[in-house]
Amino acid sequence: EVQLVESGGGLVRPGGSLRLSCAASGFTFSSYSMNWVRQAPGKGLEWVSSISSTSDHIYYADSVKGRFTISRDNGNNSLFLQMDSLRAEDTALYYCARDPVSGSNVYWGQGILVTVSS
Amino acid sequence: QSVLTQPPSVSGTPGQRVTISCSGSSSNIGNNYVYWYRQLPGTAPKLLIFRNDQRPSGVPDRFSASKSVTSASLAISGLRSEDEADYHCASWDDSLSGPVFGGGTKLTVL
Repeated sequence: EVQLVESGGGLVRPGGSLRLSCAASGFTFSSYSMNWVRQAPGKGLEWVSSISSTSDHIYYADSVKGRFTISRDNGNNSLFLQMDSLRAEDTALYYCARDPVSGSNVYWGQGILVTVSS
Repeated sequence: QSVLTQPPSVSGTPGQRVTISCSGSSSNIGNNYVYWYRQLPGTAPKLLIFRNDQRPSGVPDRFSASKSVTSASLAISGLRSEDEADYHCASWDDSLSGPVFGGGTKLTVL
């Protein structure tokens, strides 16, 4: 069974940093590109960042470019999101997702809440 | 502001047919497949439609979808109370090199 489990969320002050992790199991993690998608309270889904299977292709939404860094550790089946210079508008539920717009085999984690507030 | 545009809400009575629209551009819907997700409060999105009009196993045929140029729509027939949820459209965007989503549509069954 495919599982994606996020961790590392919490309350942080504006300007602070946080590192999210996503532990993957049930599939060959090293064969798939991965994504972070977030959802602000009461809002729609927003793609944050993608990383290819070998980390050679990395993309970011304009809203986080220069502040967030996506990375992965294929040896430990883990995906990361380093979030720096956090702003109030980064407050959201952050989902780790595999192939959200690629065929029928899509998988999402349960999400982890990040709250940026003073 | 979401890349794809959906109505914030739609409503219908039990048994009715409702549709939810999703508007994009040539860099996303116009050149890529459309996906639809259903999301219940406090849960992760669940795939409802993939590749424009395909239903994953387990999704009833009351749910159908179509795409035309840079727009798409989801139709739900024989509306039931359990259909109340948020519905999100999604597609790949060639300019962003990532997936894009609509703002979500809240379906209320009156």
